[in-house]
Amino acid sequence: GAVVSQHPSWVICKSGTSVKIECRSLDFQATTMFWYRQFPKQSLMLMATSNEGSKATYEQGVEKDKFLINHASLTLSTLTVTSAHPEDSSFYICSASRDRGTSGILFGPGTRLTVT
Amino acid sequence: QKEVEQNSGPLSVPEGAIASLNCTYSDRVSQSFFWYRQYSGKSPELIMSIYSNGDKEDGRFTAQLNKASQYVSLLIRDSQPSDSATYLCAPGAGGSYIPTFGRGTSLIVHP
Repeated sequence: GAVVSQHPSWVICKSGTSVKIECRSLDFQATTMFWYRQFPKQSLMLMATSNEGSKATYEQGVEKDKFLINHASLTLSTLTVTSAHPEDSSFYICSASRDRGTSGILFGPGTRLTVT
Repeated sequence: QKEVEQNSGPLSVPEGAIASLNCTYSDRVSQSFFWYRQYSGKSPELIMSIYSNGDKEDGRFTAQLNKASQYVSLLIRDSQPSDSATYLCAPGAGGSYIPTFGRGTSLIVHP
């Protein structure tokens, strides 16, 4: 069945370095992918909406130069956290829609980022 | 953006009881609703979808939708400790689809 994979599942990096997170839709083409961030005991915060072949649309307050999103194909989107700082430590989750949300969205397993 | 409201809980029920989770929404355009379950430390997973007024049953889960009242609910029968999680409701597609979520309802099923 349709699955969304995410890699890596966890990463530890040093402050100032960049980290790339991959999100792939398996067995289906994702017209749209969404990136979320979730801090402990908080709700999912939508960071950006990504459509294949076009620039991502960022939510208010999300720095597009810091969180680079590339949606290179209908099955792959990447999020790069540039010059990461400890406050960027969070749980990053991607999700994908096959049909503009008509049948809901599928979430990847998430990536836990720790910046030291 | 489409607004949904849920009681954040926690909702505590004994094992074997019926857990009732409720959600109200402000957007009259939405034609469908989805329930997601998120275990602590995990990402959400889609567990139920409902597209028309009335009830939809899937095993121990029943989703109810009342478009006139802009109300959607999820009933969990014979609740199990493994049902302990946060439950999120979200409207489906309608125009420009941007899935946003509230804090959800935390459910605790105690033995």
